[in-house]
Amino acid sequence: EAQVTQNPRYLITVTGKKLTVTCSQNMNHEYMSWYRQDPGLGLRQIYYSMNVEVTDKGDVPEGYKVSRKEKRNFPLILESPSPNQTSLYFCASSSPGQGGGEQYFGPGTRLTVT
Amino acid sequence: DAKTTQPTSMDCAEGRAANLPCNHSTISGNEYVYWYRQIHSQGPQYIIHGLKNNETNEMASLIITEDRKSSTLILPHATLRDTAVYYCILLSWFGNEKLTFGTGTRLTIIP
Repeated sequence: EAQVTQNPRYLITVTGKKLTVTCSQNMNHEYMSWYRQDPGLGLRQIYYSMNVEVTDKGDVPEGYKVSRKEKRNFPLILESPSPNQTSLYFCASSSPGQGGGEQYFGPGTRLTVT
Repeated sequence: DAKTTQPTSMDCAEGRAANLPCNHSTISGNEYVYWYRQIHSQGPQYIIHGLKNNETNEMASLIITEDRKSSTLILPHATLRDTAVYYCILLSWFGNEKLTFGTGTRLTIIP
């Protein structure tokens, strides 16, 4: 089954404790991205990757890092989480060959930083 | 300024067709109309997209006016599982593919 998986689905952590949210897709998609969704602010892009070893900042990259060493994986790293990073996070993937706007989303990771 | 305008909420009876409008009067020639939906905090789900011709797939139909300034998403036989927030967005082909959702339309299917 074609899918995007994220782990963990729920995470409660404390300020400053490094964490990684994993994202994996099995569709051989070139394009992957991370979004955060907050009430009243909609969906905002954090980082995106056009292919392996090619990443770039989205609209709200501060406090986040990403890497794209393999085509299928695109982890999101919070080196020193802060309470303002409490949010619902989504990973997405797509293939330009199918029209880049047709994106497949993961189930989401709800992060709480205390 | 928002590039698309949608009603905040709509109701539709189960089994009937749900027609969701979207205005995009400033659409440019290379922008496609995309529709997504999000069911209560789940990952957004792609529904359909089009440029200027009407489109249909297994989920829905998309009707785009001739001047491309508005469109309508049609769910032909709405079920309770179609209750969700529906987003109409504009994207250029092979752009950054960044999705920016506005407030969307909260569609409630009534039993």
